[in-house]
Amino acid sequence: QQKVQQSPESLIVPEGGMASLNCTFSDRNSQYFWWYRQHSGEGPKALMSIFSNGDKKEGRFTAHLNKASLYVSLHIKDSQPSDSALYFCAVTPPSSNTDKVVFGTGTRLQVSP
Amino acid sequence: DTTVKQNPRYKLARVGKPVNLICSQTMNHDTMYWYQKKPNQAPKLLLFYYDKILNREADTFEKFQSSRPNNSFCSLYIGSAGLEYSAMYLCASRLWDYEQYFGPGTRLTVL
Repeated sequence: QQKVQQSPESLIVPEGGMASLNCTFSDRNSQYFWWYRQHSGEGPKALMSIFSNGDKKEGRFTAHLNKASLYVSLHIKDSQPSDSALYFCAVTPPSSNTDKVVFGTGTRLQVSP
Repeated sequence: DTTVKQNPRYKLARVGKPVNLICSQTMNHDTMYWYQKKPNQAPKLLLFYYDKILNREADTFEKFQSSRPNNSFCSLYIGSAGLEYSAMYLCASRLWDYEQYFGPGTRLTVL
């Protein structure tokens, strides 16, 4: 059974600072990796995905994937108060079961003005 | 319109009573999901429909039922609510292997 763990549980960064969120998974054959963000009172919303080893940059957000090390991370540059939210890592299992996605417990990010 | 709607947003239920939660989407997504979310825990997949085929997780198989009368609607049914069912219930939909779109959730409180 795929296990997805996130760290830290919570994080406070100053406005303009860099936030780094970490996620480990247990199945090296996992296919797709997602980061979701949930603001208070809303459902989670997909932020970005990464499928191949290496870095993927979208604006202020950079995801990094290392399947061999069972590790994916999200880095937020120039953090804004609007980035304050709960961030989930989500992993799609190997190809036989891609309908299911396993979520981590989340990292709560607070950006202080 | 990329929104997923859930009704009601808040639900109060008595122990032993049934609960029915509703979800809808108009994106023509082939898969619809129900998750249970408790504080400080990961969203837990309860079941999902791929088209008309229902897949229920083994550890919650007997606790939750669902129906999908058409592509747009999906319900989650609890036959007899217990205190442990108090949680946020999130509905999501997806097309193929793309991202899931989530609704705002229904907060269920069982007393």
